[in-house]
Amino acid sequence: GDSVTQMEGPVTLSEEAFLTINCTYTATGYPSLFWYVQYPGEGLQLLLKATKADDKGSNKGFEATYRKETTSFHLEKGSVQVSDSAVYFCALSPSTGRRALTFGSGTRLQVQP
Amino acid sequence: GAVVSQHPSWVICKSGTSVKIECRSLDFQATTMFWYRQFPKQSLMLMATSNEGSKATYEQGVEKDKFLINHASLTLSTLTVTSAHPEDSSFYICSARDSGGAGSEQYFGPGTRLTVT
Repeated sequence: GDSVTQMEGPVTLSEEAFLTINCTYTATGYPSLFWYVQYPGEGLQLLLKATKADDKGSNKGFEATYRKETTSFHLEKGSVQVSDSAVYFCALSPSTGRRALTFGSGTRLQVQP
Repeated sequence: GAVVSQHPSWVICKSGTSVKIECRSLDFQATTMFWYRQFPKQSLMLMATSNEGSKATYEQGVEKDKFLINHASLTLSTLTVTSAHPEDSSFYICSARDSGGAGSEQYFGPGTRLTVT
């Protein structure tokens, strides 16, 4: 079945540091890929998405590129802020069927001033 | 943007009682809604897919008689935890897919924290 693997956290960075959170997936066909963010005490929010190979999703300074050849969708940000502290989830949705999301385990990011 | 609400946001109930959680799509119609469960500091686990006008599709290992799902309209799905026990305490999250949208994006509710005492 489909699966998503992302790096374990927590990831602790200083403000303005470069962020990478690795995500790889296993799926048949051409799934859509997503990054969701969950701030403390809040629900999931879509951060960015990509629906086909080589697409780059971007939002709020975060970027991720859909790499079919390496089945990856790594999340990057050039300069993190304290307000980016949250849990980040990589997820995929198959291109057919019910399109339910399969989530990775989540990576907690802590940014220190 | 698309908004999904959940009610209640938190609930405490006694063991053996039933609790109903509502999930509403406020500004779009959703033929399909999903119910997830999230344990502390863990990822979301899909429980079931709620289909408007038909029976829900449950994931393996999820008791359909315990977690009753009703999707009576294009904007409302309900999850009823029957005869709740302390191990049912969790964070329940719903999501909805815009029936009129071409993509596969889901919009998430803020979640409902259930505590069974």
